[in-house]
Amino acid sequence: GQNIDQPTEMTATEGAIVQINCTYQTSGFNGLFWYQQHAGEAPTFLSYNVLDGLEEKGRFSSFLSRSKGYSYLLLKELQMKDSASYLCASRGGYQKVTFGIGTKLQVIP
Amino acid sequence: DVKVTQSSRYLVKRTGEKVFLECVQDMDHENMFWYRQDPGLGLRLIYFSYDVKMKEKGDIPEGYSVSREKKERFSLILESASTNQTSMYLCASNLGLKETQYFGPGTRLLVL
Repeated sequence: GQNIDQPTEMTATEGAIVQINCTYQTSGFNGLFWYQQHAGEAPTFLSYNVLDGLEEKGRFSSFLSRSKGYSYLLLKELQMKDSASYLCASRGGYQKVTFGIGTKLQVIP
Repeated sequence: DVKVTQSSRYLVKRTGEKVFLECVQDMDHENMFWYRQDPGLGLRLIYFSYDVKMKEKGDIPEGYSVSREKKERFSLILESASTNQTSMYLCASNLGLKETQYFGPGTRLLVL
């Protein structure tokens, strides 16, 4: 089976750093995605981790620990436009992708 | 750029009506997906298709059917709409099952 947990909501201040955690239990795990979704819009791809470690892409970084079933998304130098939901999704057996409920991030001035 | 389009952004239907949601992608992707997204439940897979005329059930296929007659088009059908099918419906596609999915803008369906 597959199960994903991430916080429902977070608030952070403009210019700060925020870390959004995700834990998963996934049969046949072979990769973890992060998507960003602004209110009323479609999810857009942010990152994909299949090996342990940190992947950096501009202000956004994503980390994976396969042994711990744990990932996080790190957002630096927060901007108001980063207010959105962040979806963690794991890929398991038969290439099936399961999405978490999403973490709604509010960036405040 | 990958483009996934959906036929309607907003749709209002009555209980018992047959509803068609259309999705088209322009990047020759093999795989197409239909999800629904509800508050507190996240994205849940209804059906997916990995080739023309092929379909596989996702996690919540009950009350839905799909059609893929052409590679670029994947239709979701609600045979007899019910109020519990009020939701945001998102279509997605990808080239291979190991690739990231590209999402359409979504159709917000209200069933009265």
